[in-house]
Amino acid sequence: SQQGEEDPQALSIQEGENATMNCSYKTSINNLQWYRQNSGRGLVHLILIRSNEREKHSGRLRVTLDTSKKSSSLLITASRAADTASYFCATDEETSGSRLTFGEGTQLTVNP
Amino acid sequence: DVKVTQSSRYLVKRTGEKVFLECVQDMDHENMFWYRQDPGLGLRLIYFSYDVKMKEKGDIPEGYSVSREKKERFSLILESASTNQTSMYLCASSLFRALHFGNGTRLTVT
Repeated sequence: SQQGEEDPQALSIQEGENATMNCSYKTSINNLQWYRQNSGRGLVHLILIRSNEREKHSGRLRVTLDTSKKSSSLLITASRAADTASYFCATDEETSGSRLTFGEGTQLTVNP
Repeated sequence: DVKVTQSSRYLVKRTGEKVFLECVQDMDHENMFWYRQDPGLGLRLIYFSYDVKMKEKGDIPEGYSVSREKKERFSLILESASTNQTSMYLCASSLFRALHFGNGTRLTVT
């Protein structure tokens, strides 16, 4: 199975609510990254968290990393309809030579 | 801002044709990658390159080859297209850790 596995596969919320997506992985990592993909487009890098970091913020995004549980979460606060997209976690494994391995993504729908 | 440009958004080819997918980046990045994206399978790495004339196999290189003659250009070649290569193809480049993606080429092989 994929190194990064997102949960849930799909999430539907109302505008203004918070959205939380989770990612689990299997091996030791150098860093973990989150990407966003609007329908039919390429992926856009959102945030990177290193293996020695526990939490990171960027605007309305908050990412946590728990290396003991091999898991990460992405929180989007005060969501907007424009946040509707697929969100992917990607792991930079220690043994991969800087190749990223992507999960299958969480489809987020924010209803106006 | 980094710009990664893929030459075609949509492409329709016939089984057995040789197909070229072109990707150009404008930020002098060392690293370039080709992924394919399929429903239920996520993104899978086909080939990548860390320098001009250098290439490395990814997780699913069978049926594909690549060319990197210039730093800014990374081409993906389908030697003899097959229907199971119908997919969304995404090119990306990076200098350090974060990838910058193009908008993708949706290839249909009939």
